[in-house]
Amino acid sequence: NAGVTQTPKFQVLKTGQSMTLQCAQDMNHEYMSWYRQDPGMGLRLIHYSVGAGITDQGEVPNGYNVSRSTTEDFPLRLLSAAPSQTSVYFCASSYSTGVSYNEQFFGPGTRLTVL
Amino acid sequence: AQSVTQPDIHITVSEGASLELRCNYSYGATPYLFWYVQSPGQGLQLLLKYFSGDTLVQGIKGFEAEFKRSQSSFNLRKPSVHWSDAAEYFCAVGAGGNKLVFGAGTILRVKS
Repeated sequence: NAGVTQTPKFQVLKTGQSMTLQCAQDMNHEYMSWYRQDPGMGLRLIHYSVGAGITDQGEVPNGYNVSRSTTEDFPLRLLSAAPSQTSVYFCASSYSTGVSYNEQFFGPGTRLTVL
Repeated sequence: AQSVTQPDIHITVSEGASLELRCNYSYGATPYLFWYVQSPGQGLQLLLKYFSGDTLVQGIKGFEAEFKRSQSSFNLRKPSVHWSDAAEYFCAVGAGGNKLVFGAGTILRVKS
């Protein structure tokens, strides 16, 4: 099991550029989510998905798009990068029983810098 | 809305000394509470969780946490810290539908 994988590990963008952060998991987890981590602010939820074809917004969704066409993949798209999106991005996945919380498994992160 | 406060941004502890990291939460009902650890350059790993029942929960790596409803707290403890425990620690509360709200984190430094 590779667990949760994220690519790329590092990325530098110019303001206005677009890109997609990739996230994949091989644990057949229904629930997947994207967080951003900023100093002194912990992790904040951007978007999440409870299964293929179902996505919803988290706490800080503006400037980001997601889709979930397969159980395994949950890409995060930055439409027009801004310096405020400089951050470390984490993808996470877990089983979703609908009854209780399940352990979320985190990927290693993508460090994004927007100039 | 749910929120989590970790009052200490940095803590420095001598190797072999005891450790307590503080966490206070805001939640109307019985909370689901978690502690995660992030080693430098790594993703987050679950240390322990509290859902219900015994208010003292044991986790991995020798950590434990105690849920105190009257104080809205879920402090993390370890009796003897090892140099490998140096990391950033996050407390989190469940926010419905498997979503988590995280605190700002506490960076633990261990001095030899």
